[in-house]
Amino acid sequence: AAGVIQSPRHLIKEKRETATLKCYPIPRHDTVYWYQQGPGQDPQFLISFYEKMQSDKGSIPDRFSAQQFSDYHSELNMSSLELGDSALYFCASSSQASEAQPQHFGDGTRLSIL
Amino acid sequence: AQSVSQHNHHVILSEAASLELGCNYSYGGTVNLFWYVQYPGQHLQLLLKYFSGDPLVKGIKGFEAEFIKSKFSFNLRKPSVQWSDTAEYFCAVVGSARQLTFGSGTQLTVLP
Repeated sequence: AAGVIQSPRHLIKEKRETATLKCYPIPRHDTVYWYQQGPGQDPQFLISFYEKMQSDKGSIPDRFSAQQFSDYHSELNMSSLELGDSALYFCASSSQASEAQPQHFGDGTRLSIL
Repeated sequence: AQSVSQHNHHVILSEAASLELGCNYSYGGTVNLFWYVQYPGQHLQLLLKYFSGDPLVKGIKGFEAEFIKSKFSFNLRKPSVQWSDTAEYFCAVVGSARQLTFGSGTQLTVLP
């Protein structure tokens, strides 16, 4: 079965650079969630989108922005990168149509800031 | 806002031992509860979920969990662990806002 696709799998950037992470949800899933997992930490919710509109916001820094496009894929844009942004960034998707639909996670993008 | 507490940060067991990982949640409304597993270097995989109905839910790989509303708990159990169960286990809750709130995770190490 098709899963959540994230790209790139690994990304190395330097401080103050920008990065764009992409997420392609499972087909027919209309909701996308972004999580950040620092080393040895639990995943922290950043932001979510439903039907291309932001539906909820968590601990996302102002330097980050995200959007969901008409094909339901989502991009997380990160600017003025800091060492502390080094983490694993997960995208998850679900369908709002079904209350019992759990979130399915992608493999994540490992972002390293030098 | 919802929160999740996992009491065991690191559990070490021998193969064939029984497992129980504790999870307590805090949320005033209707909760949906999950256990996810994360193998080294991999993404989060859903083990099992509770939405309603039978409070004893069975998941993949022989795992089960029991929702006890009076104790705000959703403990994960497995009668006999295997070396391949070595991983980090996260309990999570979804409240009205639909995003997952995770516990701090429990690292399970199974010794062969």
